[in-house]
Amino acid sequence: QVKLVESGGAVVQPGRSLRLSCAASGFTFSSYAMHWVRQAPGKGLEWVAFISYDGTNKYYADSLKGRFTISRDNSKSTLFLQMNSLRDEDTTVYYCASGGIETLDVWGQGTTVTVSS
Amino acid sequence: EILLTQSPDFQSVTPKEKVTITCRASQNIGNSLHWYQQKPDQSPKLIIKYASQSFSGVPSRFSGSGSGTDFTLTINSLEAEDAATYYCQQSSSLPLTFGGGTKVDIK
Repeated sequence: QVKLVESGGAVVQPGRSLRLSCAASGFTFSSYAMHWVRQAPGKGLEWVAFISYDGTNKYYADSLKGRFTISRDNSKSTLFLQMNSLRDEDTTVYYCASGGIETLDVWGQGTTVTVSS
Repeated sequence: EILLTQSPDFQSVTPKEKVTITCRASQNIGNSLHWYQQKPDQSPKLIIKYASQSFSGVPSRFSGSGSGTDFTLTINSLEAEDAATYYCQQSSSLPLTFGGGTKVDIK
């Protein structure tokens, strides 16, 4: 069945970098767009970034532009999120999700990033 | 950025009751409105897309309606397993945005 498994979450100091991964299985990864969405503890959902099926088109939340970079390796069915200059407010659960540009059809279980000195 | 306002924030409901959640957009978004269910300690799941289309495998007691700026998610005959937080999301324009969520609790 369709499965997305995030990894890479960790406790990091402010200003450091971290790369998250999302391993896909059970579907043709290279045919689907992908998203990252995050959720702070006890809070709502915040869309982070989108990448088209072939990696050609990428879009970001305005507040994150310049610090976060979304990418994918279709040969390995894996999605990435490179996060630089991490701040306290980046402490959230990060979800990857597959679908089109408009809907997030299937979600992973999430990986937790904690930014703390 | 398109703002989505959900109401109510919280609803406590008896099993078999009908639940209605509304989502209002800050501008006309046509039918580019989707609903997600997030149960405690789980990731969100898509339940309704494009305002009224049920996603695969979703029970028929869930339905959606609306267009333009006002949308509704209805759960007919609530079951205990429906205890969750429900979010609307718009895709009319980037950035994609979500409503603040409506928590449905079972009495």
